[in-house]
Amino acid sequence: GDSVTQMEGPVTLSEEAFLTINCTYTATGYPSLFWYVQYPGEGLQLLLKATKADDKGSNKGFEATYRKETTSFHLEKGSVQVSDSAVYFCALTTAGGTSYGKLTFGQGTILTVHP
Amino acid sequence: EAQVTQNPRYLITVTGKKLTVTCSQNMNHEYMSWYRQDPGLGLRQIYYSMNVEVTDKGDVPEGYKVSRKEKRNFPLILESPSPNQTSLYFCASRPTGERQPQHFGDGTRLSIL
Repeated sequence: GDSVTQMEGPVTLSEEAFLTINCTYTATGYPSLFWYVQYPGEGLQLLLKATKADDKGSNKGFEATYRKETTSFHLEKGSVQVSDSAVYFCALTTAGGTSYGKLTFGQGTILTVHP
Repeated sequence: EAQVTQNPRYLITVTGKKLTVTCSQNMNHEYMSWYRQDPGLGLRQIYYSMNVEVTDKGDVPEGYKVSRKEKRNFPLILESPSPNQTSLYFCASRPTGERQPQHFGDGTRLSIL
């Protein structure tokens, strides 16, 4: 079956530091890839997505590139802010088969940014 | 405002007392789904619905029921809750198209004593 593996957290950074959260996947079909963010006490919000190889998703200064050859979708941001403190989830969905577009999630990475 | 609304947000209850968590979306989405979130496990799908009167099991359906009598509503029912169902629950919806991103509610934290 499909699976997503994220780097283990928690990740603690100082403001303006560079962020990388690693994400790799295995999928039986050709997946679409997502990063979701969960701020304290809130639901998941879509941060960015990519639907085919070499696509780069970007939003709010975050970026991730769909790398089919390494089955990866690492999240990066050049300069984090305190307001970026949240839990980040990598996820995939595949069309067809019996998944019907189910989202498969990684375990989540807690990011804390200090002033 | 486009949104997925869950109620209640928090609930503490006891083993065996039936409960229902409601979910409603105002985006006219065909697909709706329930997930549970547990530390170190990410989110796992409980049930999903492709459209009215069409539901199916996800990865962890044991102990849960759902119904989809109207397009906008997708309640999650725990007929005899047990402590291992203590978790954070999310409802989600998306439009037709399996690669479309899903929109999530704010979550319901259930504690079963």
